[in-house]
Amino acid sequence: GAGVSQTPSNKVTEKGKYVELRCDPISGHTALYWYRQSLGQGPEFLIYFQGTGAADDSGLPNDRFFAVRPEGSVSTLKIQRTERGDSAVYLCASSPGTAAEAFFGQGTRLTVV
Amino acid sequence: KQEVTQIPAALSVPEGENLVLNCSFTDSAIYNLQWFRQDPGKGLTSLLLIQSSQREQTSGRLNASLDKSSGRSTLYIAASQPGDSATYLCAGGPGNQFYFGTGTSLTVIP
Repeated sequence: GAGVSQTPSNKVTEKGKYVELRCDPISGHTALYWYRQSLGQGPEFLIYFQGTGAADDSGLPNDRFFAVRPEGSVSTLKIQRTERGDSAVYLCASSPGTAAEAFFGQGTRLTVV
Repeated sequence: KQEVTQIPAALSVPEGENLVLNCSFTDSAIYNLQWFRQDPGKGLTSLLLIQSSQREQTSGRLNASLDKSSGRSTLYIAASQPGDSATYLCAGGPGNQFYFGTGTSLTVIP
């Protein structure tokens, strides 16, 4: 596709449920990033992939959060036992390489009720 | 941990004015820096990237500069237009991740 695609655009889930958020990066981009943005704040880093491997997962807040990128393209962010504090917009970005320009998707707005 | 400050937090100007947005990092060891705009309820749109070997970048009415010694960057917008109204975010980092500021909310009044 022309840009980074994230699905779903909106997700409402009940506290304690499991959710998966999907990111389709720009074709050929090797680097992929996940960020989380709360209202009125700048995006906060979660995890970075270079190819298939998680090169830096230091931003994941706890072990309820996990992300995969099995074939080096599409990535899925997985959140177990969701909590109300997980409510935020989850943003995905991709770039041709580590130091190159990053392009963001439109985000998935997650609401935990 | 890298902290990023953007000043001012909000700015309202009449159409046609030139303006400067500021961004500063507590750790000046920034490999590259990128400026984004974000419209309400939308994702981030890349404006300019300043890579490690560069000091500034220009695109149309936008000019961004980076002073690595002080950890400061500025975004200059010339001849502002109502369509420039948005939140502007700066982000910098070592390459494997970006640290973002909280943004400057810009309103350009027709």
